[in-house]
Amino acid sequence: DAEITQSPRHKITETGRQVTLACHQTWNHNNMFWYRQDLGHGLRLIHYSYGVQDTNKGEVSDGYSVSRSNTEDLPLTLESAASSQTSVYFCASSVYGRNGELFFGEGSRLTVL
Amino acid sequence: DAKTTQPPSMDCAEGRAANLPCNHSTISGNEYVYWYRQIHSQGPQYIIHGLKNNETNEMASLIITEDRKSSTLILPHATLRDTAVYYCIVRAAQGGSEKLVFGKGTKLTVNP
Repeated sequence: DAEITQSPRHKITETGRQVTLACHQTWNHNNMFWYRQDLGHGLRLIHYSYGVQDTNKGEVSDGYSVSRSNTEDLPLTLESAASSQTSVYFCASSVYGRNGELFFGEGSRLTVL
Repeated sequence: DAKTTQPPSMDCAEGRAANLPCNHSTISGNEYVYWYRQIHSQGPQYIIHGLKNNETNEMASLIITEDRKSSTLILPHATLRDTAVYYCIVRAAQGGSEKLVFGKGTKLTVNP
């Protein structure tokens, strides 16, 4: 069955380190999204992409970057991890033109010490 | 995107219908109502969406009032596995703001 997978599921890192969270989907969806979820803030959009070579900033993009070199993958990079980036990160994808129907991964819990 | 208001928590007996309300009094004519749920520690799951007609799928039914200022998600026969946080979201289905504003949702607890 088609799916969306995130890795690693859990990671602990130190302040200042570069971290990359992987997201891979096998639905051939054009659209992919990264959200973070924190208590008291709900889910907030970090970056999103509508296709290969396309990337866009969301509401909380500072300190994060993404690249889209193929349809299946949208890795999220924290250039220099900060304690404020401790969070649960969710990747999602959707069919072109149906941006409201997102399919989410199981999440990656990141702790920055 | 219009804001929504949901009760913070609800309880339901297993096997009974769960009716989750949502107010969206500032909804625009081109905005749809979406429902998602998030079971503890998992990613959100899309349930259903609608514009003005009632909708039903294998998971739930969505009832939207005629003035579109409120809606109700109905889980016809709730099970323990339906315990989750349910989010009501209003957004344009095409274009518009690309983010889904999840808010705090309703914590539904299905009791045996």
